[in-house]
Amino acid sequence: AQRVTQPEKLLSVFKGAPVELKCNYSYSGSPELFWYVQYSRQRLQLLLRHISRESIKGFTADLNKGETSFHLKKPFAQEEDSAMYYCALKRPATDKLIFGTGTRLQVFP
Amino acid sequence: SQTIHQWPATLVQPVGSPLSLECTVEGTSNPNLYWYRQAAGRGLQLLFYSVGIGQISSEVPQNLSASRPQDRQFILSSKKLLLSDSGFYLCAWSVQRSHNEQFFGPGTRLTVL
Repeated sequence: AQRVTQPEKLLSVFKGAPVELKCNYSYSGSPELFWYVQYSRQRLQLLLRHISRESIKGFTADLNKGETSFHLKKPFAQEEDSAMYYCALKRPATDKLIFGTGTRLQVFP
Repeated sequence: SQTIHQWPATLVQPVGSPLSLECTVEGTSNPNLYWYRQAAGRGLQLLFYSVGIGQISSEVPQNLSASRPQDRQFILSSKKLLLSDSGFYLCAWSVQRSHNEQFFGPGTRLTVL
């Protein structure tokens, strides 16, 4: 069965420190993976998707099929990055997403 | 541009009472529609999924049901609420057969007492 695991419920860093939010998935085929973010008092929204190979707000995520991971990284965290982050896997042959349990990122000044 | 609305924003209901949460989408046609429950420590759990009018897929057994009476309207219902139905309910839409960015509504906070 497909599954997404985010092992950290809370990650706290100081401004300017590197950030890595971990995401591991279980799926035997070619996965489509996403990171969604929810800032305080805002709607859940897409941050980035692996097929785009893009950097959004300084964040990147590389798909590692060997380790079945899709960790989200940023070299220098900013206070405005504080939010809830969800990793998601698209179920094959459907338009449905499987979400992880989320990681709350706190960036202290 | 496309927008998604949910109401009410908050709701407090007694155990055993009925429930109706509404979600509407504007600016697009024939969207996929989704109902999620968001719970602390449990992430987003997909409850229902719809690809068209009257077409509802239930993802988990539960006390809730969903209906799609119109193309851009998605309703979450219950005949008798349980305490365990308390939570934050999110509606979302996506373009069919795309790379599946889902667009989320503002959510409804339901408290069952």
